[in-house]
Amino acid sequence: SQTIHQWPATLVQPVGSPLSLECTVEGTSNPNLYWYRQAAGRGLQLLFYSVGIGQISSEVPQNLSASRPQDRQFILSSKKLLLSDSGFYLCAWRVSSYNSPLHFGNGTRLTVT
Amino acid sequence: QKEVEQNSGPLSVPEGAIASLNCTYSDRGSQSFFWYRQYSGKSPELIMFIYSNGDKEDGRFTAQLNKASQYVSLLIRDSQPSDSATYLCAVNKPAGTALIFGKGTTLSVSS
Repeated sequence: SQTIHQWPATLVQPVGSPLSLECTVEGTSNPNLYWYRQAAGRGLQLLFYSVGIGQISSEVPQNLSASRPQDRQFILSSKKLLLSDSGFYLCAWRVSSYNSPLHFGNGTRLTVT
Repeated sequence: QKEVEQNSGPLSVPEGAIASLNCTYSDRGSQSFFWYRQYSGKSPELIMFIYSNGDKEDGRFTAQLNKASQYVSLLIRDSQPSDSATYLCAVNKPAGTALIFGKGTTLSVSS
């Protein structure tokens, strides 16, 4: 069966510090990978998605970036965090089939102070 | 117009009642529709999905899709206090490879 691992679970970082969140998927090959953010009281916002190694599509211009160095690894980064980057970050995967559902990791609660 | 709209709630129902959650979407070409449940502080979990007009049943849950009206709903029969959560509607855009989510409806089931 497929599993998705996301870490860390919680993170408190000062403004201006860097960020690296990692996500890995097991039990499947060539998944589509996603990063979403959920700010307090708001909906799920799509940040990035990837359909293959090195292929990243950005949905929202901001100070975040994503990379996919391996087939089942997806990394979200920032060089300098802003207060507005606080939120619940969710990694998700699905098979590369148009109508397949998303499966989410447990999420990372990021607080920028 | 927002791409996927849901009433934020809260929707309050007594235990054992039917809860009806509604969602509208703006892109007429959308082809697949998903319902997720999210408990406070947790990640969303898939309840069910629907692709064709009509009803699809899975246990106590029934998804209903009307593409002509651009409307999808989720019915929860015999609601339980454990069903209290936020329910997210998601739509797969016709030319996209990602799901677009509504802001969710908060359901409260009282015992």
